[in-house]
Order: sequence, then structure tokens, then C-alpha cells
Amino acid sequence: GIQVEQSPPDLILQEGANSTLRCNFSDSVNNLQWFHQNPWGQLINLFYIPSGTKQNGRLSATTVATERYSLLYISSSQTTDSGVYFCAVGINTGTASKLTFGTGTRLQVTL
Amino acid sequence: GAVVSQHPSRVICKSGTSVKIECRSLDFQATTMFWYRQFPKQSLMLMATSNEGSKATYEQGVEKDKFLINHASLTLSTLTVTSAHPEDSSFYICSAPTRGGQAAYEQYFGPGTRLTVT
Repeated sequence: GIQVEQSPPDLILQEGANSTLRCNFSDSVNNLQWFHQNPWGQLINLFYIPSGTKQNGRLSATTVATERYSLLYISSSQTTDSGVYFCAVGINTGTASKLTFGTGTRLQVTL
Repeated sequence: GAVVSQHPSRVICKSGTSVKIECRSLDFQATTMFWYRQFPKQSLMLMATSNEGSKATYEQGVEKDKFLINHASLTLSTLTVTSAHPEDSSFYICSAPTRGGQAAYEQYFGPGTRLTVT
């Protein structure tokens, strides 16, 4: 199956700092999503980005499908950004795609 | 975005009993839903694919007789953990993909159910 690795595994930032999270995957995919898992366990959709670049406020993401990686940028980080960030990849077939989750990046933003 | 709910959010049961978890898509229909399991400080692992009107398909290593899945309608899938044991204690999360538009197949996740088996 597809292997998905994220880096760094842990990240501590001071409020206001910027960061880049990376997601590498081992095979071609046509579904890639980034999620933020909050302290209560809820997965919040950040981006659906199988290719290209998207921006949403302080967050942006870029996926280079041909090189099998995706990046999530967080600018001007806030304490509410703390949590675990997952990328998940899959192949869209039929009505849906099974997602394989990455190992996650645990982010802590301090004052 | 699409909304997926789960019930209950937390359940404690005794070893040997069965527990049912519901997953509902509130504002869209889902012919397919997925069930994941997450152990503390680990990633999500796909357990099974729930298909409306047909049998679920299970990932390798997941016991289909232990984790019963029923997708009775286009908005409801249930996961029943039968004869639960302490090692089944985990965070169970369901998801459903939306259809159409530029983000076809984007999956939305329920808030999860924390199961503790004593």
C-alpha cells in the first residue's frame, strides 16, 4: 500500500512564527487532503489539494503530484493552531477513495 | 462544508458486551462511508468501507465478525463492536465523501466516539 510520511513529527513555535509541514507519499495519488485534529479529536478539513496551490487565510498548501509531496504553510501562528496536522492520500475510484493517513505533525504554539 | 455526526461521543462498557456507534451525514447523502480507528498518539487506520445496500469491505487484519457494519440508508452507517474487550478501547471515527464540484470525493469526518472497555 501507499506509504505516507510527514515531517517534522513534532514542532514547537512561538506565537507569530511561520512554519512549513511536509507530506511525502510513495505512489501516485489523485486525492490529497490536509486536516487539523483539535485537542478533542475532531478532524477539521483544511485543504483538498491533489495538485496545485491553495490559500485560505493564514494557511496555504502546495502539492507537487509528480514529485509526490505536499507542503502546508502556516503563517503568523496562533495558540489555536496547536494540535496534530495530518495529510491523507488516496485514489479516487467509483464513489469514493480510501484514505491513507500520514504519521502526523504535532504542533504546539506557545505565547 | 459538509457535516457528519456520530453518536455517542463517549461510551464505557463492560468486557463481553456489544456497543453500537452511529454515523450520520447531516446535509448530504453518502453511498459510501468509512470507519477508522485511532489509538492514543497514533495516526488513523482505516478499518472498513461501508456501502449502502451491500456488504461492508474490511481492511486486512480487521475481524468482520467482531466489527459489524450496517449501512441502512444514504445518511446512516452503524458500527457494532461485538463482545468488546479492553484491547478494543480506542477512538472510532467515521467519514463520508461528498460528491460533485471541484472537490469531489473530499471526505468529511465525524467528531469521533471514544470507547472504553472495562
